[in-house]
Amino acid sequence: EPEVTQTPSHQVTQMGQEVILRCVPISNHLYFYWYRQILGQKVEFLVSFYNNEISEKSEIFDDQFSVERPDGSNFTLKIRSTKLEDSAMYFCASSYGQGVAGANVLTFGAGSRLTVL
Amino acid sequence: GNSVTQMEGPVTLSEEAFLTINCTYTATGYPSLFWYVQYPGEGLQLLLKATKADDKGSNKGFEATYRKETTSFHLEKGSVQVSDSAVYFCAPPGFQKLVFGTGTRLLVSP
Repeated sequence: EPEVTQTPSHQVTQMGQEVILRCVPISNHLYFYWYRQILGQKVEFLVSFYNNEISEKSEIFDDQFSVERPDGSNFTLKIRSTKLEDSAMYFCASSYGQGVAGANVLTFGAGSRLTVL
Repeated sequence: GNSVTQMEGPVTLSEEAFLTINCTYTATGYPSLFWYVQYPGEGLQLLLKATKADDKGSNKGFEATYRKETTSFHLEKGSVQVSDSAVYFCAPPGFQKLVFGTGTRLLVSP
């Protein structure tokens, strides 16, 4: 069964450093997402991406964050200058469609755990 | 906008007990409805879905019926197992994204 893969599974970084989290969505999916989950808390939407541009972003997704689809397969989340509160599990997801009955089923990756020291 | 209200947990049950996790929604039109599950240490995965009113989604012994008249999509399972211990999310419909809440943690003891 097709799956979304994320790397790294765990990254430890120093505060102020830049981090890039990578995702390979399912190949025929058109919509891509990043979510994060601070330990024990809710899963928060960060950003959605379609047709090589951001389609929606949350208030969490400030100038510190950026997303990119550098080639036909990867989808990356960059955090420019990490803060302690960025420590969380980051989930990538993809879907074939949006707003169409049943087409907006999200397939999630296993997540990348980011620890900022 | 579209939204859901999901019962807070944790829900603690013994193996083979009956499970209900309530979820009610507000939405424009008749969108698809979803339940996602997050097992310990893993990402979210789709548990089941229903695409129209009166549809029943089912998977792994779990069921949920899309009730238009009560705007509900309650999750049920007749006999839970220890392996069902996880966090369950009723995912509200939307066009640009799914918005998840804190979910309902289910703890099943032997």
